[in-house]
Amino acid sequence: KNEVEQSPQNLTAQEGEFITINCSYSVGISALHWLQQHPGGGIVSLFMLSSGKKKHGRLIATINIQEKHSSLHITASHPRDSAVYICGGQGAQKLVFGQGTRLTINP
Amino acid sequence: KAGVTQTPRYLIKTRGQQVTLSCSPISGHRSVSWYQQTPGQGLQFLFEYFSETQRNKGNFPGRFSGRQFSNSRSEMNVSTLELGDSALYLCASSAELSNYGYTFGSGTRLTVV
Repeated sequence: KNEVEQSPQNLTAQEGEFITINCSYSVGISALHWLQQHPGGGIVSLFMLSSGKKKHGRLIATINIQEKHSSLHITASHPRDSAVYICGGQGAQKLVFGQGTRLTINP
Repeated sequence: KAGVTQTPRYLIKTRGQQVTLSCSPISGHRSVSWYQQTPGQGLQFLFEYFSETQRNKGNFPGRFSGRQFSNSRSEMNVSTLELGDSALYLCASSAELSNYGYTFGSGTRLTVV
């Protein structure tokens, strides 16, 4: 079993829809990173959180420590949100990533 | 403020050769971490350096090594290249150790033939 699991692997939605991407992680993870990767490879760090909730524009990240679960939400989705979203769990000695969620927002 | 700079952007090497990749962090950032991304394995953590010391290491063979200089610039070296080393290699810098946000470079795409 992977230490960090994401779902869904692929997600297609219409512009304006509310998007949720989920990330479950194993014990030993003290913080969770959310990354965005656009075609061409560039990666942007969206959030790093170890408790509660963080918001930046239309993006919201939450984490439930007891359930070892984090979600990334996108409100009022737009085609420019189309990208691969990756969650990464920060352990004591290393960072472990999920396989990514490929999000496509159609106009 | 300049971002994280990785050089070269693209590289083609032959099996058995070695390669050195460079990463210049954002000015003032002392932590540099390296990652390998392949279609099959996704994004994987290689190692992290802070103030010239390796602080964390992923599960990669000893052929993968790195170092950090006093100006925080970092290099990653892969010796005896294998076809499976073909990947996008990314570095990221952070003001402090891992528990802070990262800024990623654009990556070096290495192709081993």
